[in-house]
Amino acid sequence: DVKVTQSSRYLVKRTGEKVFLECVQDMDHENMFWYRQDPGLGLRLIYFSYDVKMKEKGDIPEGYSVSREKKERFSLILESASTNQTSMYLCASSWATSGASSYNEQFFGPGTRLTVL
Amino acid sequence: GENVEQHPSTLSVQEGDSAVIKCTYSDSASNYFPWYKQELGKGPQLIIDIRSNVGEKKDQRIAVTLNKTAKHFSLHITETQPEDSAVYFCAASRYYKLSFGAGTTVTVRA
Repeated sequence: DVKVTQSSRYLVKRTGEKVFLECVQDMDHENMFWYRQDPGLGLRLIYFSYDVKMKEKGDIPEGYSVSREKKERFSLILESASTNQTSMYLCASSWATSGASSYNEQFFGPGTRLTVL
Repeated sequence: GENVEQHPSTLSVQEGDSAVIKCTYSDSASNYFPWYKQELGKGPQLIIDIRSNVGEKKDQRIAVTLNKTAKHFSLHITETQPEDSAVYFCAASRYYKLSFGAGTTVTVRA
């Protein structure tokens, strides 16, 4: 079974702190994703990585950065946490797509609920 | 970008009855439409998907239909059971990027 693990289930941080959220997948997937989930808004893509050291901005990248130094690990960084970044953060991974008509299932981790005070 | 609308936001059904969730999308180039189920305390998990060259797909008690002309797709759950209680998300995709609906909280009453 594919396993996507996230470093913390719950995290409480102070405004202005630098926050690291870690995600590890064990299926040798090329693609990794970070989403945030808010009530009434569904899941929104923050960043996407399709290879080591490669990244693309998603729909809501402001206030976030990412790092992918190893294929299995994808980190989300909040440089200076703010209260409006209080949310559930979900990491996902998938095989690489090949061609415009193909798509692969995304496998999600359990999420990290971040509270910024 | 793609905009996906999902209705209803909450759905309460009697055990054994059917549940239907509907989604519309805006980008006619979207070609892949997965449905995810999220149970309490867990990440979303794919339950069924459909590609744009197919109009209907069924897997046991769940089915998905797609109307490309009208740009809408639906999830049908028949003979609902307590374990069907969860949040369901539809999504639309072109290439790697998924655009999700806001989610439907389904409660199955015993």
